[in-house]
Amino acid sequence: GDSVTQMEGPVTLSEEAFLTINCTYTATGYPSLFWYVQYPGEGLQLLLKATKADDKGSNKGFEATYRKETTSFHLEKGSVQVSDSAVYFCALSDPEAGGTSYGKLTFGQGTILTVHP
Amino acid sequence: DTGVSQNPRHKITKRGQNVTFRCDPISEHNRLYWYRQTLGQGPEFLTYFQNEAQLEKSRLLSDRFSAERPKGSFSTLEIQRTEQGDSAMYLCASSSRRSDNEQFFGPGTRLTVL
Repeated sequence: GDSVTQMEGPVTLSEEAFLTINCTYTATGYPSLFWYVQYPGEGLQLLLKATKADDKGSNKGFEATYRKETTSFHLEKGSVQVSDSAVYFCALSDPEAGGTSYGKLTFGQGTILTVHP
Repeated sequence: DTGVSQNPRHKITKRGQNVTFRCDPISEHNRLYWYRQTLGQGPEFLTYFQNEAQLEKSRLLSDRFSAERPKGSFSTLEIQRTEQGDSAMYLCASSSRRSDNEQFFGPGTRLTVL
C-alpha cells in the first residue's frame, strides 16, 4: 500500500537558517503530494501541494518539488522564522479516476521544527 | 465559514465505557473524513463519507467503532467498550469537489482512556 517516510526529528534551527525536511513516498499510482503544518494548539493546515511530476508547490516562503524519479517531495525554506516552529507532515493522496480530485490522505510521521531567535 | 468544529475537545473515560464524538464540517462540504493520530505519529485514515454514504472504512476501524453521518451534515464517531489503546487524537476533515476535495481539518478530540 501507499506510505510516506519523513526524516526523523526533531529539527532545531536558529532564525534565518536554511531548512530542509526530507520526504519520500511509495505509491502504486501517481499520487498528489502535500505538506501540512500543525502549529501549537491548532489543527492541521495545508501548507502546499503538487499534483504531478516536476510541479513545485510554494507558500509562505516554503517550497517543495514533486520528484517522480526519486519519489521525493522535500520541504525547503531559505530563511526560517521563530513563527515557523510547528510540526510538519508530508502526505499523499491517490487521485480519483478522471481528475485531480483527492481522496483519503496517507501521512508521514511528522517532523517537529523548533526555531530559536 | 467557521471551519470544521469538533466536540468535545477533550474526553477522559474509563476502560469499558462508550464514547461519542461529533464533527461539524464546513457547510456545503459533501465529504467528511475521520483520522486517528497517536503521539509522535501522523494521522491515520479511519473512514470517510460522501454526503450520508460511508464509502470506505480502514482496517483500523474495528467492530467497536461506528461512524454515522445522518442527512449528510454533521458526523458522529462512537467507540464502544473503550480500551487504553484507543487513547489518541481523533481528527475530522471535510472537503468539496469545488476545491478538488482539498481537506480542511478540525482541531481534534483528544481521548484518554484510563
